[in-house]
Amino acid sequence: DGGITQSPKYLFRKEGQNVTLSCEQNLNHDAMYWYRQDPGQGLRLIYYSQIVNDFQKGDIAEGYSVSREKKESFPLTVTSAQKNPTAFYLCASSSTGGRSGQYFGPGTRLTVT
Amino acid sequence: GESVGLHLPTLSVQEGDNSIINCAYSNSASDYFIWYKQESGKGPQFIIDIRSNMDKRQGQRVTVLLNKTVKHLSLQIAATQPGDSAVYFCAEPTGGGNKLTFGTGTQLKVEL
Repeated sequence: DGGITQSPKYLFRKEGQNVTLSCEQNLNHDAMYWYRQDPGQGLRLIYYSQIVNDFQKGDIAEGYSVSREKKESFPLTVTSAQKNPTAFYLCASSSTGGRSGQYFGPGTRLTVT
Repeated sequence: GESVGLHLPTLSVQEGDNSIINCAYSNSASDYFIWYKQESGKGPQFIIDIRSNMDKRQGQRVTVLLNKTVKHLSLQIAATQPGDSAVYFCAEPTGGGNKLTFGTGTQLKVEL
């Protein structure tokens, strides 16, 4: 089956620890994205990548880092510098950037205590 | 600046009725719009899109209307079913078309 996978679905960490969220796609999409969603809120863009080995900051990149070493993979690291890391994190991919539909993974719910 | 927003945060409808979810946008140069559905605890799901050279586009039980004069977008769901209960987002390309900006979202609740 083609699609986007995120793992794990639920993740718990202690404050001060870095944590990496996985995102893999087999849709052969060039562009990939990371969003953060807080309860009752919309999606806010953290980072996006239009091509391998290149990525750009979104609207709320502080405290996060990404890499794009492979077309299929776009992992997100939530660092200890992120003040409020507890949230629902969504990964998406698309074939041609914004002017086509983005397809989303199932999300990872991160809880930091 | 560019922004996408929704008029109503929550919409309650009776099962079988039609639902209309609205969205306002501010960038008159926007040429593409998408509607997403997000069920609780899941990722958003693509529903339908429309390009600015169209006023209307129909899918299965859904219709999107675009009024470029007043920069307004709407999603109509016919014969609303309990499975339609979700948050609906509109989105448009920004940043030179390299990314999407999402509206706040409207919670649709279907009452039996």
